[in-house]
Amino acid sequence: EVQLVESGGALVKPGGSLRLSCAASGFTFNIYTISWVRQAPGKGLEWVSSISSKSTSINYADSVKGRFTISRDNAKNSLYLQMNSLRAEDTAVYYCARVGSDGWNDYWGQGTLVTVSS
Amino acid sequence: EIVMTQSPATLSVSPGERATLSCRASQSVSNNLAWYQQKPGQAPRLLIYGASTRATGIPARFSGSGSGTEFTLTISGLQSEDFAIYYCQQYNNWPLAWTFGQGTKVEIK
Repeated sequence: EVQLVESGGALVKPGGSLRLSCAASGFTFNIYTISWVRQAPGKGLEWVSSISSKSTSINYADSVKGRFTISRDNAKNSLYLQMNSLRAEDTAVYYCARVGSDGWNDYWGQGTLVTVSS
Repeated sequence: EIVMTQSPATLSVSPGERATLSCRASQSVSNNLAWYQQKPGQAPRLLIYGASTRATGIPARFSGSGSGTEFTLTISGLQSEDFAIYYCQQYNNWPLAWTFGQGTKVEIK
């Protein structure tokens, strides 16, 4: 069974930093692109970042470029999102999602809540 | 950036009836379009990819159609578990970017 489990969400002050993790199991992690997608309270879905299977292709939404860094450790079947210079508008549930062969997100984790507030 | 626009924002439907949801892209995305269902407090679930292919385990009452800039998700014979928010997503220019529509809430009439 494919499983993605996010962790690391917390309450953080504006300007602070946080590192999210996503633990994967039930599939061959090192052959899939993985994405981070977020959802602000009561709002829709927003793609944040993605990383290819060997970390050779990394992309970010303009809203987080220069502040967030995605990475992965295939030996540990894990995905990470380092978030710096956090803003109130980064408050959201952050999901990791596996990317299917042609670009859709076929499996999602349950999400982890990040709250940026003073 | 490709902008995805969904309509209507809210759709009120009686159980057993048909629901038709629309998604429009600001430029052609070919058939690189997915639909997701999200229930309160849950992660999104993939319903449709390639504009019309049902994901594994998705009931036949869910169907997708369209290509280019106009897409439709049809739910035939709505069941109680189908009342949720539905999002479309284009992945035409992945891995550079993905964009989602703002969602359509299907509620009980």
